[in-house]
Amino acid sequence: AQKITQTQPGMFVQEKEAVTLDCTYDTSDQSYGLFWYKQPSSGEMIFLIYQGSYDEQNATEGRYSLNFQKARKSANLVISASQLGDSAMYFCAMREARSGSARQLTFGSGTQLTVLP
Amino acid sequence: DAGITQSPRHKVTETGTPVTLRCHQTENHRYMYWYRQDPGHGLRLIHYSYGVKDTDKGEVSDGYSVSRSKTEDFLLTLESATSSQTSVYFCAISDTTSGETDTQYFGPGTRLTVL
Repeated sequence: AQKITQTQPGMFVQEKEAVTLDCTYDTSDQSYGLFWYKQPSSGEMIFLIYQGSYDEQNATEGRYSLNFQKARKSANLVISASQLGDSAMYFCAMREARSGSARQLTFGSGTQLTVLP
Repeated sequence: DAGITQSPRHKVTETGTPVTLRCHQTENHRYMYWYRQDPGHGLRLIHYSYGVKDTDKGEVSDGYSVSRSKTEDFLLTLESATSSQTSVYFCAISDTTSGETDTQYFGPGTRLTVL
């Protein structure tokens, strides 16, 4: 079973509107972290936002917020007031406590977001 | 932005030749990672390092080796490149902060083509 599932290969949103990118995860660990990264067409991986499994409040970073629903094992990224520069591939990732010293991230397959003018 | 550079940024090589990719950081972070990115797979961990001379395998380590002789440098070597190793390679760094908030920051990537 996939640990991170992003069911939307591609999404379109009108400029200035909000958009939600879906991410569901699978883990039996009690302690884990969830991350979102942005990859524009230039190719770099940019860290956006982090949510810890024990965090009681949803994470927010500027126009980015994470809709964390622990019981449903979902960690959706919400981008408010979309801008043309938000057009990119977005990856959800998880680090489980069981990764131990590896501290490795497990990535989803990504969602390509296109912001329309 | 985290100070991470990768070299070369692009490389074309032939099957069977050795290839070394370099990751250099100026952040003095303890952890360094090599990932590969292929269509439909997101990023997958190849090897990681948790200190000088301390390395271990990741999810897709076959055909790759690594070395870390200095904190700032992490080398990825393909001993005998194969076409299946055509990919984009990312280096990442992180530090041992508390709990799970240990964010990984990525380098710009190296596009490797094996003919």
